[in-house]
Amino acid sequence: KAGVTQTPRYLIKTRGQQVTLSCSPISGHRSVSWYQQTPGQGLQFLFEYFSETQRNKGNFPGRFSGRQFSNSRSEMNVSTLELGDSALYLCASSTALQGAGADTQYFGPGTRLTVL
Amino acid sequence: GIQVEQSPPDLILQEGANSTLRCNFSDSVNNLQWFHQNPWGQLINLFYIPSGTKQNGRLSATTVATERYSLLYISSSQTTDSGVYFCRYMEYGNKLVFGAGTILRVKS
Repeated sequence: KAGVTQTPRYLIKTRGQQVTLSCSPISGHRSVSWYQQTPGQGLQFLFEYFSETQRNKGNFPGRFSGRQFSNSRSEMNVSTLELGDSALYLCASSTALQGAGADTQYFGPGTRLTVL
Repeated sequence: GIQVEQSPPDLILQEGANSTLRCNFSDSVNNLQWFHQNPWGQLINLFYIPSGTKQNGRLSATTVATERYSLLYISSSQTTDSGVYFCRYMEYGNKLVFGAGTILRVKS
């Protein structure tokens, strides 16, 4: 079974631009969660999508958004990029059978975003 | 929100040694899990451990919910155990929160 894939793996953008990151979950997984990891703030939960609906959301501004498609693939978008958005963005998929937080999540390798 | 403290922040071990990592919480938490992030950034679920004890090979975890802490034991450490260990819990509003992590370095 193929693992979680994320594209692109590396990305360089400038302030003010927008960016879209993609995550393909493990086949059969209906839940996709997104996380941001920075040296200063650590690992932070962005949001979770389940069956094309946002089920949970962390404490991030509205510039961070996401969506999920009918095949469970998910994208997250960051508009009006700021220097502080430079981070490793991780997505994780799960069956969501046990509910958010209780599931075993499988993580992708991440997308490293650098904002100049 | 609930505060979490992971200790120790940093740990250096000789291969074969044992270690105990800890997460202390300021209040009761739900859906506690432990994760390992290897030096290349890959995150892996280790345990879902809201209470009680679980073991998987050389690793085991214990959560004492009434006393608001969780422990991760690593026995006979190997260099492949190096990386960062995080605890994660769910707080009000189904928000998932990670601890700051324990950086573990195992030397051969």
